[in-house]
Amino acid sequence: DIVMTQTPLSSPVTLGQPASISCRSSQSLVHSDGNTYLSWLQQRPGQPPRLLIYKISNRFSGVPDRFSGSGAGTDFTLKISRVEAEDVGVYYCTQATQFPVTFGGGTKVEIK
Amino acid sequence: EVQLVQSGAEVKKPGESLKISCKGSGYSFTSYWIGWVRQMPGKGLEWMGIIYPGDSDTRYSPSFQGQVTISADKSISTAYLQWSSLKASDTAMYYCVRRTYSSGGVNWFDPWGQGTLVTVSS
Repeated sequence: DIVMTQTPLSSPVTLGQPASISCRSSQSLVHSDGNTYLSWLQQRPGQPPRLLIYKISNRFSGVPDRFSGSGAGTDFTLKISRVEAEDVGVYYCTQATQFPVTFGGGTKVEIK
Repeated sequence: EVQLVQSGAEVKKPGESLKISCKGSGYSFTSYWIGWVRQMPGKGLEWMGIIYPGDSDTRYSPSFQGQVTISADKSISTAYLQWSSLKASDTAMYYCVRRTYSSGGVNWFDPWGQGTLVTVSS
């Protein structure tokens, strides 16, 4: 299985300030079709996960443009340009390049 | 609106059987994979397996192979996750999620069901 490692575990952020989460995979996430199936999920407290970003950098429908994704190969980053109160929650990277699908351990974003 | 609606919370005893459900609406149920994800209390997400309701093609994560059964009834647009003999360690929230996939590079998981909390305790 592909192991996904996220850092940091927790990210206390001041409202309006940026936040950044890193995700590293144990092997390249480039699929044989040339695409990289790396996504980011947000899980607010008491809620199911929600898709934010797919294929490294594509914002899903309805996702604010303060969220952005970048990276390639085995190293990926999710950035929140200006954290808002509604962004509090746990963020997961996930890969669907190879089955089984695997998730990072999660990064908790909280307000200082 | 595309929706996945899961069955309600369950409280069971060790050794009992259980089947939880996930009903899809607002789209062609037979044309999209449905996956199941476990989240143990206070923990992260674990992929369990996935089914394509159109032909019942099912893939399990090695960690869950033989531990659960995934099935679907396309006549009622519903996917299932079942256990034949529950253990206390099966206590968790279980989510279903739709996979959108095409050979043209489309491959993501959304929407998610609201979750079904399963509690196994003597």
